[in-house]
Amino acid sequence: RKEVEQDPGPFNVPEGATVAFNCTYSNSASQSFFWYRQDCRKEPKLLMSVYSSGNEDGRFTAQLNRASQYISLLIRDSKLSDSATYLCVVKYAGKSTFGDGTTLTVKP
Amino acid sequence: NAGVTQTPKFRVLKTGQSMTLLCAQDMNHEYMYWYRQDPGMGLRLIHYSVGEGTTAKGEVPDGYNVSRLKKQNFLLGLESAAPSQTSVYFCASSPPGQNYGYTFGSGTRLTVV
Repeated sequence: RKEVEQDPGPFNVPEGATVAFNCTYSNSASQSFFWYRQDCRKEPKLLMSVYSSGNEDGRFTAQLNRASQYISLLIRDSKLSDSATYLCVVKYAGKSTFGDGTTLTVKP
Repeated sequence: NAGVTQTPKFRVLKTGQSMTLLCAQDMNHEYMYWYRQDPGMGLRLIHYSVGEGTTAKGEVPDGYNVSRLKKQNFLLGLESAAPSQTSVYFCASSPPGQNYGYTFGSGTRLTVV
């Protein structure tokens, strides 16, 4: 079993749609959590941290459920520019483990 | 603000050749990392460093060596390249502590023929 698992997708949604990604992790001692965005043939870029109380950044909302060991990312009012691969990241003892990513395509 | 700079951006090697990938960061970050990313797969940690003069093995260290002689630089060496090392290599850096994400370089695309 992988340490961090994501649904690879692809998710194909129309502009304006709401889409949610989930990610599960196996290490219950994991200490911090992040979502990254990776565009095709580019480096990953930090999208947002994920806090236990949930957090929001504009159209993006991240949630953490420690009891069930999963994190989620909700994107509201999808834009064409949101098309990318979204990587779930779990950090423990200073090292980050990346999920394989979920691919999102937003269509006109 | 350069952030994290990787050189070279592209390279083709013949099997058995050696090379060094350079990563330089100007953010005074303590921690630096080398990852590889293969098609359809996530990033896998090769080696990392928690400070100048220190290095440690990650998930897939075989066939690679690293050095961190200066805080701002982290070098990844391939002693005898193999086709299985064809990949995209990303360097990243971060401050110490659990609450910080990484800043990545733009990557090096390496092909071993």
